[in-house]
Amino acid sequence: KQEVTQIPAALSVPEGENLVLNCSFTDSAIYNLQWFRQDPGKGLTSLLLIQSSQREQTSGRLNASLDKSSGRSTLYIAASQPGDSATYLCAVRRGSGNTGKLIFGQGTTLQVKP
Amino acid sequence: GAVVSQHPSRVICKSGTSVKIECRSLDFQATTMFWYRQFPKQSLMLMATSNEGSKATYEQGVEKDKFLINHASLTLSTLTVTSAHPEDSSFYICSARPGRRGQETQYFGPGTRLLVL
Repeated sequence: KQEVTQIPAALSVPEGENLVLNCSFTDSAIYNLQWFRQDPGKGLTSLLLIQSSQREQTSGRLNASLDKSSGRSTLYIAASQPGDSATYLCAVRRGSGNTGKLIFGQGTTLQVKP
Repeated sequence: GAVVSQHPSRVICKSGTSVKIECRSLDFQATTMFWYRQFPKQSLMLMATSNEGSKATYEQGVEKDKFLINHASLTLSTLTVTSAHPEDSSFYICSARPGRRGQETQYFGPGTRLLVL
């Protein structure tokens, strides 16, 4: 059974700091991995999607890496801003098509202080 | 980008009543839709997966007679919580995946907050 763990559960940093969020999964047979952002009481916004054959994806100040063999992914946020404050969720997908369910981690709640 | 809407965004109901939540993909056709439940300070738990025109596939521990899912068209799925009880109070989020090859991203709705009194 696939299990996804995110560390730390919560993180508070001053504005401008670079930071890394960690995600680990127990079954390396994944189809892809996705990072999401969730604001309080809101739905999810997809940030980055990494296919199993890829090592990393970048979007603006965000960079996500994937090491499938070790079951790890990291989300790097450069020059953090107060607007980055949210809960960040990673999710892995095992298969394509109808079998491709997303399994979520518990999330890391980030607070960036001005 | 792809947009998924949910209605209502918030609902309060009395114990024993049924509540219907709608999920729509506004600018794409979704062959597969997913329903998740999220309790406070917890992650999303998949409840069921539905494909247009087919019966939904429920996750272990989710009562299919209590959580009725209908995926009547490529842009609409509904979740009906029947005979709701206070323990059903939660944040329900739907997600939709385009059916086109290469479109692997799942798009999520804004969620529906259900409070059963």
